Amino acid sequence: DIQMTQSPSSLSASVGDRVTITCRASQSISTFLHWYRQKPGEAPELLIYAASHLQSGVPSRFSGSGSGTDFTLIISNLQPEDFATYYCQQSYSSPPAYTFGQGTKLEIK
Amino acid sequence: QVTLRESGPVVVRPTETLTLTCTVSGFSLSSPRVGVSWIRQPPGQALEWLAHIFSNDEKSFSASLKTRLSIYKDTSKSQVVLTMSNMDPLDTATYYCARTGVQLARPFDSWGPGTLVAVSS
Repeated sequence: DIQMTQSPSSLSASVGDRVTITCRASQSISTFLHWYRQKPGEAPELLIYAASHLQSGVPSRFSGSGSGTDFTLIISNLQPEDFATYYCQQSYSSPPAYTFGQGTKLEIK
Repeated sequence: QVTLRESGPVVVRPTETLTLTCTVSGFSLSSPRVGVSWIRQPPGQALEWLAHIFSNDEKSFSASLKTRLSIYKDTSKSQVVLTMSNMDPLDTATYYCARTGVQLARPFDSWGPGTLVAVSS
């Protein structure tokens, strides 16, 4: 199975800051990598798909990059609703075995 | 508007079989390239993918749980059903269904609100 490792597990930031979250795959997954935001008590929502494509309706302060094994999510100009947990997920495996990272909790400093 | 909604028991007893239903609207389960997964999240923990069913009825399961899982769909009712046998207190979690649509690389583009299942005697 492909393992996904996120770092850091948690971080603190302030409104208006720029933060970076990384995700590493245990083997190459091309650009079959997606990012989700999960607010407390809610279902996850898709932010970035295929490593760098912004999901419709998602603010442009979110951006993603990477390919192969190393990926990055950048959030610019943090807003109050961005203090949440972020997950990466791969969809490269065949037959499908969609695995998630362990999550990164973004907290207010 | 695409929506998914999970339904099922709130509490199940250890060793029982859990049956969850995902009812979808705004798309057809027979649409090409569309699929539905079940994903769970124990309290305070990370997301764990469980199973997936494609529009052509192809199925895939988590390697660690495949002996306990089954998944099927009823296209006429717009429902995807997951069963998990031999439930244990460690299976206590919020269970989500989510759709893979037509975007590149098949992300989960729509999710249900989730249903919390507790396993307790």
